[in-house]
Amino acid sequence: DSGVTQTPKHLITATGQRVTLRCSPRSGDLSVYWYQQSLDQGLQFLIQYYNGEERAKGNILERFSAQQFPDLHSELNLSSLELGDSALYFCASSPRTTLGETQYFGPGTRLLVL
Amino acid sequence: ELKVEQNPLFLSMQEGKNYTIYCNYSTTSDRLYWYRQDPGKSLESLFVLLSNGAVKQEGRLMASLDTKARLSTLHITAAVHDLSATYFCAGVNSGYSTLTFGKGTMLLVSP
Repeated sequence: DSGVTQTPKHLITATGQRVTLRCSPRSGDLSVYWYQQSLDQGLQFLIQYYNGEERAKGNILERFSAQQFPDLHSELNLSSLELGDSALYFCASSPRTTLGETQYFGPGTRLLVL
Repeated sequence: ELKVEQNPLFLSMQEGKNYTIYCNYSTTSDRLYWYRQDPGKSLESLFVLLSNGAVKQEGRLMASLDTKARLSTLHITAAVHDLSATYFCAGVNSGYSTLTFGKGTMLLVSP
């Protein structure tokens, strides 16, 4: 158990809908990262927040957005969902944003868009 | 933009054998990480390699980093069934702490 929690574990929804994925980082960690894992794209970095502010952006679609709240939990919002958005979404956390820090991954949210 | 390539993508081994997984990356990466993922599970950190020539060992796994060759290896010694999993290497994008992952190597160890 990494100490990172994600809810829900599974999510089934329809195309065009909007969902919110939630992540609570390890106690004391200030950085939160979101990753998407799919069969065709592999593991891709989406976005990073550090202490409430966006720090880095990866291959995140405009339909997706995220935020980190004062209590450091983070939410990833996915809207106008398409079949291709079906994937495993991981949240990871690290203490700061220092190079060389290990990122600890949560259990993931499996999203299925029908 | 950092690109990370692993090979092989699939590896079937017999218990007791040795093998090496290779991880090449395209541009400077300040660090190199190895993660393990069991089917349907999350990623577990195995090693963080911080500098050229770094070598780390944990049980039957040993990882090394050659920054000049832009190559990291994960060596498996005397494989056992419990090592069956998918192994990912990941580099760090210059100036950031975000990770770029390889496609993963699915390792299957059979008796």
